[in-house]
Amino acid sequence: NAGVTQTPKFRILKIGQSMTLQCTQDMNHNYMYWYRQDPGMGLKLIYYSVGAGITDKGEVPNGYNVSRSTTEDFPLRLELAAPSQTSVYFCASSTPWTGGHQETQYFGPGTRLLVL
Amino acid sequence: AQSVTQLGSHVSVSEGALVLLRCNYSSSVPPYLFWYVQYPNQGLQLLLKYTSAATLVKGINGFEAEFKKSETSFHLTKPSAHMSDAAEYFCAVDGSGNTGKLIFGQGTTLQVKP
Repeated sequence: NAGVTQTPKFRILKIGQSMTLQCTQDMNHNYMYWYRQDPGMGLKLIYYSVGAGITDKGEVPNGYNVSRSTTEDFPLRLELAAPSQTSVYFCASSTPWTGGHQETQYFGPGTRLLVL
Repeated sequence: AQSVTQLGSHVSVSEGALVLLRCNYSSSVPPYLFWYVQYPNQGLQLLLKYTSAATLVKGINGFEAEFKKSETSFHLTKPSAHMSDAAEYFCAVDGSGNTGKLIFGQGTTLQVKP
């Protein structure tokens, strides 16, 4: 299994440009997540999905959009890039959480985004 | 609302010394707690997780953590540091009971000196 893969690894965007960060997992996980990581701030949840066709907002969803048309893919869309979106973005996946049993989240290697 | 505080953004130890990384949490429901490690330019990897079955949790690479409800703490320890332990460590709590929406601490960078 490749696990969670993310593309691109690094991207420079100009203010106002748009782009899609790709995330794919081959573990047949229902749950998928997008986080952003800023220095000294830990990781913040942007969006998550509990299955194909179902998405919901996390802590910091403004400026982002997601879709989940398949179990494997969970792309993150930036419509109008802003300098505040300069960050490292991580995608993660897990099996469904059930009462009393906390599933491990598996993380991709990250996408480093610089908005100038 | 749930939250996590990691005391100390940088911790430096000598090789062979005890490693202690501190984590305190706030939760209105029984917490699900995690420690993740991030090596340079990589994603996060699970070290261990608290499942409520035992207060002392053993993880990979010789790490362990003890859940102390009275102190609302989940500190990470390792008896003897190795150079390969140098990384950033994150404590996390489930943000809403059992949905997988993790709330992360700000991270602690562990430096291991020869």
